[in-house]
Amino acid sequence: AQSVTQLGSHVSVSEGALVLLRCNYSSSVPPYLFWYVQYPNQGLQLLLKYTSAATLVKGINGFEAEFKKSETSFHLTKPSAHMSDAAEYFCAVAAERGYQKVTFGTGTKLQVIP
Amino acid sequence: EAQVTQNPRYLITVTGKKLTVTCSQNMNHEYMSWYRQDPGLGLRQIYYSMNVEVTDKGDVPEGYKVSRKEKRNFPLILESPSPNQTSLYFCASSSLQGRNSPLHFGNGTRLTVT
Repeated sequence: AQSVTQLGSHVSVSEGALVLLRCNYSSSVPPYLFWYVQYPNQGLQLLLKYTSAATLVKGINGFEAEFKKSETSFHLTKPSAHMSDAAEYFCAVAAERGYQKVTFGTGTKLQVIP
Repeated sequence: EAQVTQNPRYLITVTGKKLTVTCSQNMNHEYMSWYRQDPGLGLRQIYYSMNVEVTDKGDVPEGYKVSRKEKRNFPLILESPSPNQTSLYFCASSSLQGRNSPLHFGNGTRLTVT
């Protein structure tokens, strides 16, 4: 069965510091991988997605993620955190059921300290 | 504007009183799905639909019903709500044209069952 593990339910960084949110996945077939962001009182929005075209994926708001098959990881990074990045971030994998079943991680809340 | 609309945003009810949460999308998406979000558990899929009159159970379907009579609508029905169904619910939709189509989420319905 496919699964996602997000290490760290809460991450705090200073404004201007590197953001690193960790995601490891498990699937029996090559997966599609996604990062979604959830701002307070809103639904989830797509940040970026990996679909096997390139291992380094660039998303919105300066975020990027690198697919590493050998480590089964898809960590999310941003070189310099902004206050507006404070939100909850979800990693998701789609592999089963013809790639239509999406399984989400438990989420990481990012706090940005001024 | 392309969107997924859920109603109501907030709902407080009592145990056993039937309720329906509506979901509508204007993007002509084939795929629609319901998730519940609970602290520490991330998003878990309740039911999904690949097209009109085609629905199937997700990971946590017990106590819920859905129907898909029209392409745009996918209501979630709780015939006899219980306190353990207190949660934040999200409806999502996506196109089935391409395996990497992202999910589009509504803004959520916060349900409290007393």
